Amino acid sequence: GAVVSQHPSWVICKSGTSVKIECRSLDFQATTMFWYRQFPKQSLMLMATSNEGSKATYEQGVEKDKFLINHASLTLSTLTVTSAHPEDSSFYICSARFAGGFYNEQFFGPGTRLTVL
Amino acid sequence: DAKTTQPPSMDCAEGRAANLPCNHSTISGNEYVYWYRQIHSQGPQYIIHGLKNNETNEMASLIITEDRKSSTLILPHATLRDTAVYYCIVRLLSSGSARQLTFGSGTQLTVLP
Repeated sequence: GAVVSQHPSWVICKSGTSVKIECRSLDFQATTMFWYRQFPKQSLMLMATSNEGSKATYEQGVEKDKFLINHASLTLSTLTVTSAHPEDSSFYICSARFAGGFYNEQFFGPGTRLTVL
Repeated sequence: DAKTTQPPSMDCAEGRAANLPCNHSTISGNEYVYWYRQIHSQGPQYIIHGLKNNETNEMASLIITEDRKSSTLILPHATLRDTAVYYCIVRLLSSGSARQLTFGSGTQLTVLP
């Protein structure tokens, strides 16, 4: 099946620093990628939709200047958490839309655990 | 997309069938039922989806009632590795637009030895 990778799998940073998370579709092209955030014991919440070559669409309440998304190619989207604070500590998960088949399924990455000290 | 209701938790004995229910009483005619699961600290994994007919694959079976207001995911022989949160999601299937998945709270399935 289609494989989506994320890097890094976990990261610890100091408050005020920026962290970049990469999401790659390894064996297929993804015109659309989605970024989710999951706090402990909660469900996934969509943060933004990333379309290759265009600006991301952010969900209500998600600060676009804080969570910078770049989808520069059909296999790579990046999420940069700028000036991270402890409340940004969370599990960040991306998914990529496989547009090759009829069902246009989404495949999820393994997630990135961010801890901000 | 229609809202779904799932029990918060269920237990199942190893080797037995796990039957996970989902209510989606407001589902519309062109909305599909999807099931994903999330093992702790991992990304969600696609399991199965269907429109109105029952579906089966190597992972599970999906039984959708005739009125489509509810469905049941069946894991025929649960193993300890099936312990996860299972999400039932209802959404439109649109080949032209990329619709995101909206996750509810899901059902925590615990397979007991």
